Amino acid sequence: AQKITQTQPGMFVQEKEAVTLDCTYDTSDQSYGLFWYKQPSSGEMIFLIYQGSYDEQNATEGRYSLNFQKARKSANLVISASQLGDSAMYFCAMREGSGGSNYKLTFGKGTLLTVNP
Amino acid sequence: DAGVIQSPRHEVTEMGQEVTLRCKPISGHDYLFWYRQTMMRGLELLIYFNNNVPIDDSGMPEDRFSAKMPNASFSTLKIQPSEPRDSAVYFCASSLAGTTDTQYFGPGTRLTVL
Repeated sequence: AQKITQTQPGMFVQEKEAVTLDCTYDTSDQSYGLFWYKQPSSGEMIFLIYQGSYDEQNATEGRYSLNFQKARKSANLVISASQLGDSAMYFCAMREGSGGSNYKLTFGKGTLLTVNP
Repeated sequence: DAGVIQSPRHEVTEMGQEVTLRCKPISGHDYLFWYRQTMMRGLELLIYFNNNVPIDDSGMPEDRFSAKMPNASFSTLKIQPSEPRDSAVYFCASSLAGTTDTQYFGPGTRLTVL
């Protein structure tokens, strides 16, 4: 079974609208971390946001927020007020185990977001 | 602060040649990771180091691949001999052990083996 599932190969959104990118995960660990990365067409991997499994609040970083639903094992990325520069591939990733105990990240296959003017 | 630095950014070589990819992690980071990205397999972890010591190399595809970290500010990934199926983007990432262990990626090296 895949540990990280991103079911949307591609998404389209109009500029200035909000968009949600889906991510579900599978782990039996109680302690884990969830990450989102952005990969624009230039190729670099840019860290966006982190959510720990014990964090009670959903993580937010500027226009990015993570909709964390632990019981459903989902960690969806919400981008508010989309901009043309948000067009990129977005990857969800998971680190199983607590910080300081395990350093491997498992990545999903990604969602290609296109922002239309 | 400078991010993770990788060189070269692009490498084109012929089958059978030796290829060396270089990485300078973020200063102060104690973990370094090498990844490979292909369309078919996505992002794969090849190897990672802690304080210059290789911790897990289970992702290294075969003996043709080797990685070293002679000091805290430099690592290499070597492929000898290279094959066309090694064509991919190779990323180096670094992190500082702590609560989140967020990995910060370099710009990647696009390797093409003809």
